[in-house]
Amino acid sequence: ETGVTQTPRHLVMGMTNKKSLKCEQHLGHNAMYWYKQSAKKPLELMFVYSLEERVENNSVPSRFSPECPNSSHLFLHLHTLQPEDSALYLCASSQAGVNQPQHFGDGTRLSIL
Amino acid sequence: GIQVEQSPPDLILQEGANSTLRCNFSDSVNNLQWFHQNPWGQLINLFYIPSGTKQNGRLSATTVATERYSLLYISSSQTTDSGVYFCAVERAVKFYFGSGTKLNVKP
Repeated sequence: ETGVTQTPRHLVMGMTNKKSLKCEQHLGHNAMYWYKQSAKKPLELMFVYSLEERVENNSVPSRFSPECPNSSHLFLHLHTLQPEDSALYLCASSQAGVNQPQHFGDGTRLSIL
Repeated sequence: GIQVEQSPPDLILQEGANSTLRCNFSDSVNNLQWFHQNPWGQLINLFYIPSGTKQNGRLSATTVATERYSLLYISSSQTTDSGVYFCAVERAVKFYFGSGTKLNVKP
C-alpha cells in the first residue's frame, strides 16, 4: 500500500548491534502503530502513539524503544536483540477519533544472527 | 482486550470455488477491517466495514455489529487470492487482530 513507508525493507543484524526502523506516513493521520509478526503467528501490537503520545505498550521488552518525534514519523530503536526477535515488523497509521481504516506499510523483515 | 476469532484457520480451495471466512469478536467495536496478507508480507486493505455489506469485485463482506461477527465472501477464487486473511477490530485507538485464515487456492 502507498501512504505508509517503512525502511529498510530487510535488515540483518547481530545481537550486539544497534539499529533503527523507520516509518513515515503521508496520510495526515495522527496515530501510528508498531506491530510484530513472527512466523506462523498473528500480528502482535507493540506500541501505539496517538497525537504523539504513547498510548499503549504491550509489555514489550526494553530492548525495543519507540520514538515518535511528530505525527508523520515513527521509529523503533533496536539494541541487543535476541534470535526470537526475528520477525516482520509492520508500521501502521490511522486517524484517531474518526472511524477510518488503518493503513499499513510493507514491513521490515528483521533477522537476528 | 477484545478477543477476535477467525475461522477456519486453514482453507484449501480449487480455483473457481467460492468460500466464506468468518470473524467473531467479543465486544462492541468502532471499526472492523479485513486484510489480505500476500506471500511477501504486505497487508492489503480489503474492506473497512464496521457494519453493513460492501462489495468489491469478487469479494464482499458483511458485518453484523449487534451480533459481533463479520463474514468475508470470496467468489470464483483465483490462485492470486492465496495468502492469509486477517480480521481486525478497533476500539479506543487500539486494534486487535485475529489469528487469520490461511487460504491456498490450487489451479
